[in-house]
Amino acid sequence: QSVLIQPPSASGTPGQTVTVSCSGSTSNIGTNTVNWYQQLPGTAPKLLIYSVNQRPSGVPDRFSGSKSGTSASLAISGLQSEDEADYYCAAWDGSLSGQVVFGGGTKVTVL
Amino acid sequence: QITLKESGPALVKPTQTLTLTCAFSGFSLNTGGMGVGWIRQPPGKALEWLAMIYWNDDKKYSPSLRSRLTITKDTSKNQVVLTMTNMDPVDTATYYCAHRPEIGLFDVWGQGTLVTVSS
Repeated sequence: QSVLIQPPSASGTPGQTVTVSCSGSTSNIGTNTVNWYQQLPGTAPKLLIYSVNQRPSGVPDRFSGSKSGTSASLAISGLQSEDEADYYCAAWDGSLSGQVVFGGGTKVTVL
Repeated sequence: QITLKESGPALVKPTQTLTLTCAFSGFSLNTGGMGVGWIRQPPGKALEWLAMIYWNDDKKYSPSLRSRLTITKDTSKNQVVLTMTNMDPVDTATYYCAHRPEIGLFDVWGQGTLVTVSS
């Protein structure tokens, strides 16, 4: 059971906007920044969004992040077939002497 | 350019100790703020953070696995080593190491190494 809660799946047709939610608590998302990782099939995770809404160089601006209270969201606008992947949220959790916590992952399918 | 690469045995027997090495380049663990973390992913399952080591030799462990994990660094070789004792089939997973530039963030990941626990 992951500390951060994500829906197991989400889907959309090409061009649509898909949103992935990530629910946490005051010890993690509520007081720390949120990062998102994209994992394409058979590959290592890749940093997609950091510090809630910042994109590393090379990440298209179709990907955006937000946070409100103890929840965060990843939005993928103008959905493309190559966006089909698993998406994980993560945050630092200040409880129990500190740890990184991940969400259970959301499989995004492009219909 | 930062790169990391994991190495270790592909197969270990139950009760054995696993030793994994992360060889990195493009940064120094002598630099303030730097860290390296280990994360694993059982087949078809989610990511799970295991441990972290920082430039000042501070170490953090997953509370649920703390008793079985040890993380160390060799800054002269640019390596980080993770040991996990008393391996069990449920520990079968791909193990990743990653560069940690700031709190809670992994910006560059290794390719991962699959470890199977079986007799």
